[in-house]
Amino acid sequence: QKEVEQNSGPLSVPEGAIASLNCTYSDRGSQSFFWYRQYSGKSPELIMFIYSNGDKEDGRFTAQLNKASQYVSLLIRDSQPSDSATYLCAPSNDYKLSFGAGTTVTVRA
Amino acid sequence: KAGVTQTPRYLIKTRGQQVTLSCSPISGHRSVSWYQQTPGQGLQFLFEYFSETQRNKGNFPGRFSGRQFSNSRSEMNVSTLELGDSALYLCASSLWDTNTEAFFGQGTRLTVV
Repeated sequence: QKEVEQNSGPLSVPEGAIASLNCTYSDRGSQSFFWYRQYSGKSPELIMFIYSNGDKEDGRFTAQLNKASQYVSLLIRDSQPSDSATYLCAPSNDYKLSFGAGTTVTVRA
Repeated sequence: KAGVTQTPRYLIKTRGQQVTLSCSPISGHRSVSWYQQTPGQGLQFLFEYFSETQRNKGNFPGRFSGRQFSNSRSEMNVSTLELGDSALYLCASSLWDTNTEAFFGQGTRLTVV
């Protein structure tokens, strides 16, 4: 079992729709959970992080965390073409981030 | 506020050589961690330093080493380069008390020929 699993992509959504990204993790000691966006050829850019169970909203992005289910998700509302990128889920524990393989999102106009 | 700065941005080295990469964290950040990104393996953790002490290390051979200076700047070194070391090397900085954001630099693209 991989440490971090993300829904396989690519995920194609129409402009203005909601993109839903899922992530499960195996390390129950994980304390914080990060979502990064990475454009092709660029470094990861932090979108959000969450450490308490429940929802956290920041603009068009909402992260949801359920530690009992070892599950974290990211919703992107009103998707824009500029949201087309690979999204990386990264739980943290013991001073390290463990990354999933990423989900590639394509927003079609 | 300046972001995380990595130098150089690009490097081409020959097998068997060694290389040193540098990372300057965001001002006030004391934790620096290093990651290797390849198409096949994705992003993998190399090591993390806080106040000049290595607090965690990933599963990489001893050819990969790092250090942190008193001003929080960090370097990583790879000795006896192999073709498989070709990758994007990313540095992330954070305050790294529990539950703080980690920000990445632009990375150093290393090509081993």
